[in-house]
Amino acid sequence: DAKTTQPPSMDCAEGRAANLPCNHSTISGNEYVYWYRQIHSQGPQYIIHGLKNNETNEMASLIITEDRKSSTLILPHATLRDTAVYYCIVRYDKIIFGKGTRLHILP
Amino acid sequence: GAVVSQHPSRVICKSGTSVKIECRSLDFQATTMFWYRQFPKQSLMLMATSNEGSKATYEQGVEKDKFLINHASLTLSTLTVTSAHPEDSSFYICSARPLGISGNTIYFGEGSWLTVV
Repeated sequence: DAKTTQPPSMDCAEGRAANLPCNHSTISGNEYVYWYRQIHSQGPQYIIHGLKNNETNEMASLIITEDRKSSTLILPHATLRDTAVYYCIVRYDKIIFGKGTRLHILP
Repeated sequence: GAVVSQHPSRVICKSGTSVKIECRSLDFQATTMFWYRQFPKQSLMLMATSNEGSKATYEQGVEKDKFLINHASLTLSTLTVTSAHPEDSSFYICSARPLGISGNTIYFGEGSWLTVV
């Protein structure tokens, strides 16, 4: 059981911010929210993770709601190279993948 | 970030033979490594979890005698597909969890394409 729900696909214009939502209403107190992405025919790439606070790194920002039941991954300036399947994952000991969101960046 | 390497990246084998895929953590030690399988247009499916020096834990429905996993050191895990059949053709991906304070992040290899003919 992946424990997360994501929209199957999204479009975003190149140069705009891509906001990818994720619901994880059954998250436990010690479970982190992780985001990975998989570009076609490659292994998943780690993006960011967080527990309760919002996080930012060179790739993206992660906004987690106060009740921790949902989160949003933000790619601030999407490029064509950001086209990928994005996975939101809640885990403590191992990663179970859901179906993810297929993000299409439109030129 | 940390690097996980898989070898070979692509392999073709004949039906009935066995094939080994290696997963190495290049710049960190990993207590735990994971093996996944991915069919076209599907998500990654966890096959098993391997802990260094102990037997792997297989997910439900995964045949442990067919997919042999060995985690002999803190930087190497191997997956052997025994008596391979065409339906075993897939993309196999490993991941590793580092020791120490960065232990929460799991890093993935680049994957290995297996084609059984």
